[in-house]
Amino acid sequence: DSGVTQTPKHLITATGQRVTLRCSPRSGDLSVYWYQQSLDQGLQFLIQYYNGEERAKGNILERFSAQQFPDLHSELNLSSLELGDSALYFCASSLRERGYEQYFGPGTRLTVT
Amino acid sequence: AQSVTQLGSHVSVSEGALVLLRCNYSSSVPPYLFWYVQYPNQGLQLLLKYTTGATLVKGINGFEAEFKKSETSFHLTKPSAHMSDAAEYFCAVSLYNQGGKLIFGQGTELSVKP
Repeated sequence: DSGVTQTPKHLITATGQRVTLRCSPRSGDLSVYWYQQSLDQGLQFLIQYYNGEERAKGNILERFSAQQFPDLHSELNLSSLELGDSALYFCASSLRERGYEQYFGPGTRLTVT
Repeated sequence: AQSVTQLGSHVSVSEGALVLLRCNYSSSVPPYLFWYVQYPNQGLQLLLKYTTGATLVKGINGFEAEFKKSETSFHLTKPSAHMSDAAEYFCAVSLYNQGGKLIFGQGTELSVKP
């Protein structure tokens, strides 16, 4: 158990819908990262927050957004969902902004039908 | 831009045999290097990391890796495979001047035959 929790574990929704994925980092960690894992793209970095502020952006679509709240949990919002958004979404956390030891949550499996 | 290449999407070994998973990186600055393992239906677990210092790093479950700057490699080894080592392994790179984001290789699925 990494100490990072993600909810829900599974999510099935229809095209065009909007969903919110939630992540609680390990106790004391200030950085949260979001990654997408799909068969065709592999593991890709989406976005990083540190202590409530956005720090780095990767291959994140404009339809996706994220935020980190004062209690340090983070949410990833996916809107206007397409079939291709079906993937495993991981959250990871680390103590520092440039934290090299990232601890991953169990992931949320999103299926868009 | 930095990138990570894992040679071999599938590797199969017999129980007790040497495990060798290959990873090469491309980076314009000294990288930080990682190996993660993913068991089915689970998240990623850090096996080991190289940041600075000794180039041979030891990790959990008997794995180790050696950073070879001249070869831009960070291959993962284990002297004797166990059935429980069957999983997917990911090599990743992070650059200090680009925050903490990890750039992953495509992964290598390790099978262990009895």
